[in-house]
Amino acid sequence: GIQVEQSPPDLILQEGANSTLRCNFSDSVNNLQWFHQNPWGQLINLFYIPSGTKQNGRLSATTVATERYSLLYISSSQTTDSGVYFCAVERGGNKLVFGAGTILRVKS
Amino acid sequence: EPEVTQTPSHQVTQMGQEVILRCVPISNHLYFYWYRQILGQKVEFLVSFYNNEISEKSEIFDDQFSVERPDGSNFTLKIRSTKLEDSAMYFCASIGGRQDTQYFGPGTRLTVL
Repeated sequence: GIQVEQSPPDLILQEGANSTLRCNFSDSVNNLQWFHQNPWGQLINLFYIPSGTKQNGRLSATTVATERYSLLYISSSQTTDSGVYFCAVERGGNKLVFGAGTILRVKS
Repeated sequence: EPEVTQTPSHQVTQMGQEVILRCVPISNHLYFYWYRQILGQKVEFLVSFYNNEISEKSEIFDDQFSVERPDGSNFTLKIRSTKLEDSAMYFCASIGGRQDTQYFGPGTRLTVL
């Protein structure tokens, strides 16, 4: 099956810093989503981005489907950005395959 | 904004007991899913459901698991005889069409003692 790798596995930032999270996938995909898992365990949709670039406030994402990677940018990080960021891809049948996540800690 | 809801938020059960986890997908959605996440691990697909039948299931989804859409709004996951290793967060998700965002519910944390 398709493999999804996320990097870095852990990231510690000072409040106000910027960061880039990466997601590599091993085959072509129909769908790619980024999620933020908050401290209560909820999965919050950030982006549906099978290709191209999208922005939502301090967050933006870019997927280069031909090169099989996606990037999530977080600018001016805040402590509330802390949590786990998951990339998930869908290749067929609509089931999402998740990466292992990036654990982000933002310090004040 | 419409959302997927799940009940209960937390369920504690004894090993060997049956549990039913409930989900109300977004009202005009057609495809429904269950995923689970063991503590500290990645989210894993369990089963997809469309047109009142299972579309696909993973190897995790064995004979102890079943899904049902008993009416026009609810979507349930039943575990017949729970094991300790079934302890996990279970997420329900739904999607309106094939090329669309999959929306996740807040999850049910299942603890098997």
